[in-house]
Amino acid sequence: SQQGEEDPQALSIQEGENATMNCSYKTSINNLQWYRQNSGRGLVHLILIRSNEREKHSGRLRVTLDTSKKSSSLLITASRAADTASYFCATELDTGRRALTFGSGTRLQVQP
Amino acid sequence: DAGVTQSPTHLIKTRGQHVTLRCSPISGHKSVSWYQQVLGQGPQFIFQYYEKEERGRGNFPDRFSARQFPNYSSELNVNALLLGDSALYLCASSLLSGQPQHFGDGTRLSIL
Repeated sequence: SQQGEEDPQALSIQEGENATMNCSYKTSINNLQWYRQNSGRGLVHLILIRSNEREKHSGRLRVTLDTSKKSSSLLITASRAADTASYFCATELDTGRRALTFGSGTRLQVQP
Repeated sequence: DAGVTQSPTHLIKTRGQHVTLRCSPISGHKSVSWYQQVLGQGPQFIFQYYEKEERGRGNFPDRFSARQFPNYSSELNVNALLLGDSALYLCASSLLSGQPQHFGDGTRLSIL
């Protein structure tokens, strides 16, 4: 079963706009990670936020984590056509196992 | 440095056959995980190996098996293939627990 669920399932914006994707999960986590996947390719790691962190930045990316609500958000600022991809949140549970549990993803389309 | 490499990139099999997929992790990474990604969904965890020992198994039937070799490369075997096994099979390696996983581009398996 999917641990994380992303919202929205699909998002279409214009270049230069901001894109916000949300993720909810069910059980206690060690960390939460966001990945990007271009069509038919492997996943590329974007950012990792640990359970004791609330916010993290990397370039145009901003991730927040609210463990009380079991939710996270990914904000991409000043989007570009090259940001068009599927974005997945993945949780690493606090059981010590290194497996990731992925959500169903948000498909982002950035119109030039 | 080379990333995670998987072979073959594409494979077509018929029902009832078996298949072996291969993965070479990033140099120095001792943990390898396998995921199955059905079209339109997020990856689902199949196996995790660390130092040649199975450390985790997802909710997949016994037709799925894997192993890790002394050089930390890994194989995923699937027997008695079913139409529902058609998917992108992803391999990921990581250095330590709590670190990002690095994914290969996957093997696209089609069952006829």
